[in-house]
Amino acid sequence: GAVVSQHPSRVICKSGTSVKIECRSLDFQATTMFWYRQFPKQSLMLMATSNEGSKATYEQGVEKDKFLINHASLTLSTLTVTSAHPEDSSFYICSARSPDGRANYGYTFGSGTRLTVV
Amino acid sequence: LAKTTQPISMDSYEGQEVNITCSHNNIATNDYITWYQQFPSQGPRFIIQGYKTKVTNEVASLFIPADRKSSTLSLPRVSLSDTAVYYCLVGSTTSGTYKYIFGTGTRLKVLA
Repeated sequence: GAVVSQHPSRVICKSGTSVKIECRSLDFQATTMFWYRQFPKQSLMLMATSNEGSKATYEQGVEKDKFLINHASLTLSTLTVTSAHPEDSSFYICSARSPDGRANYGYTFGSGTRLTVV
Repeated sequence: LAKTTQPISMDSYEGQEVNITCSHNNIATNDYITWYQQFPSQGPRFIIQGYKTKVTNEVASLFIPADRKSSTLSLPRVSLSDTAVYYCLVGSTTSGTYKYIFGTGTRLKVLA
């Protein structure tokens, strides 16, 4: 089946630095990917929609300059957390729609990235 | 924007059948209902998807009444390893992009 790979699975960074998280569709092409964040004991919150070859669409309240998204190819989307602060510590998850021809089926999620800012 | 409502938590015992009901009163005509399972520190994993009536696969069944305003995920004979959060999702189309907005999910705890 469709596989979405995220890297790294865990990252610790110092406050003020930037961190890049990669999301790859391994066996299919994904024109659209989604980025979520999840705080402990909470649900996933959609941050942005990543569109191949165009600008990402951010959800209300998400700072686009803070969370830079690049979807430069049909198999890779990256999320860069710029000038990270401790409050950015969270679990970041990406997803992509696998192409089986049905509009509503087949959203595959990555395994997530645990970001800790110290 | 379809929204879903589920019980926050449920407890069950090993070997029992668990039914989790989700309410989605504003579901659109072309929306499917999809359920995902999430373990701690992992991404959600697809369980089952349906449009109407009943769908069954090797791990679960999904019951959807005719009005489609609710759905019930049925897990037969749960085990300790089924302890997880279960999310009911209905897609939402905004600006032509179909995406998932997560609700609270149901935290299922299976007891020995």
